[in-house]
Amino acid sequence: QKEVEQNSGPLSVPEGAIASLNCTYSDRGSQSFFWYRQYSGKSPELIMFIYSNGDKEDGRFTAQLNKASQYVSLLIRDSQPSDSATYLCAVNMRRDDKIIFGKGTRLHILP
Amino acid sequence: EPEVTQTPSHQVTQMGQEVILRCVPISNHLYFYWYRQILGQKVEFLVSFYNNEISEKSEIFDDQFSVERPDGSNFTLKIRSTKLEDSAMYFCASSPRAGGSETQYFGPGTRLLVL
Repeated sequence: QKEVEQNSGPLSVPEGAIASLNCTYSDRGSQSFFWYRQYSGKSPELIMFIYSNGDKEDGRFTAQLNKASQYVSLLIRDSQPSDSATYLCAVNMRRDDKIIFGKGTRLHILP
Repeated sequence: EPEVTQTPSHQVTQMGQEVILRCVPISNHLYFYWYRQILGQKVEFLVSFYNNEISEKSEIFDDQFSVERPDGSNFTLKIRSTKLEDSAMYFCASSPRAGGSETQYFGPGTRLLVL
């Protein structure tokens, strides 16, 4: 059974600080790793994807992947109130395969 | 920017009735998916579809469910005889063929309520 584990939170971070979200996955064959943001009642919105070990930066967001530890993280710099949402970690095995989602971490940015 | 669209946004139905949820994937995408999310729970895979056939389905996707691509643009999910536990948000997603991004892009969802 492929699993993606996340702390459900809520994670409260002051505005302007760095928010750090973490995720572990069970299947070593996982190839692609995604972070989606989901506002309440809305659909998942892709923030970043990463395939290789190391860091990938896009604006205020940095995704980090460590395949040896089966660990993915997302850093959000200069957190804004609009970043308050549930962040979903997701993995898949190959490009046309289903995405397996974690339950998500609720992030609350304190003004 | 191209996006996945879904209709209707909300659907209320009586238990035992048939519902059809509709999706228009991004036009140059070739892989199509349905997911669902029961309130408060995680997003779950239902089915993937490529080259006019199902490539994979989950154990949730039983004989009551079917998918179809009736023309070059629409992708539908049919639930033949709805149950109370089918109440959920249903998301359609699409992704492009190899060579482009491998990510899946989600539509806004259809909220299905079975009474």
